[in-house]
Parts: sequence; structure tokens; C-alpha cells
Amino acid sequence: EVQLVQSGAEVKKPGESLKISCKGSGYSFTSYWIGWVRQMPGKGLEWMGVIYPGDSDTTYSPSFRGQVTISADKSISTAYLQWNSLKASDTALYFCTRRKGGDPVWYFDLWGRGTLVTVSS
Amino acid sequence: DIQMTQSPSSLSASVGDRVTITCRASQSISNYLNWYQQKPGIAPKLLIYAASSLQSGVPSRFSGSGSGTDFSLTISSLQSEDFATYYCQQSFSTPYTFGQGTKLEI
Repeated sequence: EVQLVQSGAEVKKPGESLKISCKGSGYSFTSYWIGWVRQMPGKGLEWMGVIYPGDSDTTYSPSFRGQVTISADKSISTAYLQWNSLKASDTALYFCTRRKGGDPVWYFDLWGRGTLVTVSS
Repeated sequence: DIQMTQSPSSLSASVGDRVTITCRASQSISNYLNWYQQKPGIAPKLLIYAASSLQSGVPSRFSGSGSGTDFSLTISSLQSEDFATYYCQQSFSTPYTFGQGTKLEI
């Protein structure tokens, strides 16, 4: 089955670090970009950035550059989203998603179920 | 960044109604516009890509149109399972910004 499986919910304190994961299966993981999308409680979708697992080429939204790190380990078909020092405002549901299509028509056709990150003292 | 503005922000409708949601880009994005449906606590689902192409498995009551800066999503005859929040997203350039969403309510 073609799917993206995300790691489980996390509860962290401000200042702590965190790395969440997204494992692809059922397709060639290194052939498609993986994106990350944030959804704060009760709010809309925000595009954070994308990574190409084949060579780890990464593009960030300016809003998130320097705030998070997107990485990938192609040997285990997994992408990551990482924080060095969490803030309460990082509390959100985070989705990973696969970018499909062909230049220049891109869309996100496959989504993980989301990882809920709660940051609270 | 390209700004995407949806209207209305919320919409009340009934089963069987025809509804249209619009999305405007702050600059021309050709036809690089996608539509997603999201239900509470669940991942978004791709409905339409490239402004008017129906994603595989999506019912034909969903349709999209537009190019340049103005786009629309139409549901021809609402079903109970269509009550959800709808987002447009531009894929013309990164960051691939989303609209603020349109909540479709009974």
C-alpha cells in the first residue's frame, strides 16, 4: 500500500528539542519530494518546506527558515522535521505530504495522518 | 510570497445544493492551482490539480476552473460527506501558499 506513516504525538516543554518522522512505503521514496505542512489549533494550512530524499535538496518557506530543519534518510525512506528549541507557538498538527506531478504542474497527492506536537510548561 | 484569498470564509448550504468557492491569487499563477478538502483532525485530501483536473477517485460532482488570478471550485450537488473545509493552494512558486480556507456547513 502506498502510504506515509508519521510518528506519534509528542508532548514537550518549551526549550526542548524534537524530531518527528514520516516514513514512505509502497512507492519509490527517493523519486518524489516530501513536504511538511503545519496546522495550528483551529487554523488553516501553512506550507513549511519540501525535501527531495534522493539528494536532500531542501526548500523552506521564508516563514519557517531557521525555525525548523527538514531532513531525510533515503536508506530508510524517512523524512524528518526537527526543532532545536521548541516554543509554545509550535503547538500544532504537522502533516507530511508527497509532491507529485511534473514541472511545472505540482500537487500534493498523498498525506500522512499528522503528528500532533504539544509544547507546554 | 504569493497570497491566496478565498471567499467566502464560511458557507451554509443544504444537501443537493450547488455551491461555488472562489480563490484569488495576488499575482498570475497560470493554472497552477490545487484544491483540497479537509475534515476535522484528518489529513487534507486532494480534489483538483492544475485548476481543473480531477484527482483519481474524486466524484465528478467536484469541478474546478480558472486561470491567471481567479479560480473557483464547484460542487454540483452537495452530499452529506461534502461538509468540510476547502483550501486552495498555488504551486506556481515556493512557498506553495494556501488560502485561508472555506468552511462548508449544513
